[in-house]
Amino acid sequence: EAGVTQFPSHSVIEKGQTVTLRCDPISGHDNLYWYRRVMGKEIKFLLHFVKESKQDESGMPNNRFLAERTGGTYSTLKVQPAELEDSGVYFCASSSFRGGFSTDTQYFGPGTRLTVL
Amino acid sequence: GIQVEQSPPDLILQEGANSTLRCNFSDSVNNLQWFHQNPWGQLINLFYIPSGTKQNGRLSATTVATERYSLLYISSSQTTDSGVYFCAVEKYTGNQFYFGTGTSLTVIP
Repeated sequence: EAGVTQFPSHSVIEKGQTVTLRCDPISGHDNLYWYRRVMGKEIKFLLHFVKESKQDESGMPNNRFLAERTGGTYSTLKVQPAELEDSGVYFCASSSFRGGFSTDTQYFGPGTRLTVL
Repeated sequence: GIQVEQSPPDLILQEGANSTLRCNFSDSVNNLQWFHQNPWGQLINLFYIPSGTKQNGRLSATTVATERYSLLYISSSQTTDSGVYFCAVEKYTGNQFYFGTGTSLTVIP
């Protein structure tokens, strides 16, 4: 079974440009999460989808970030316009949790390294 | 949110040495995981360990949920163990993970 995949693995753009990151979760996983690690700091939560709905977007830093998950399958995270402080590694995770007592955990993708010059 | 503190922040070891990494968290949790971020930035899941002890080769982990801490043991360290080790907790299954600031480990030959 394929794990969580992310594309691209690395993106280098200039300040003010637009970048779109993609995440393909494990097949059948309703939950999809975005996280990021910037400036060598801790990894922070951005948002959580349950199928195509945004369950929690409390971690989104500002309105330059737009996440979508049309059809409840893959998700995209668009940064427009990108700023220098957006540089870091963006991780996607997915889980099959559907409520109740469960040991379902989140499985992380390899991340996309974003460099804004 | 939950505060997650890791210590030490940085660690340099000679190859073959043993080490213990610690993770303290501020609230009861349903899930705790240890991750290794390798030099390429990838997050590798090491242990899912909300309580108890687990071992996988040279690595083992113990979580004492009632006292809100977890320990990661690395024995006979190798240069490939270098990278950042993160502890992450989830208060309720399905919610977000809260990550610690990580322990940066460098193993020198």
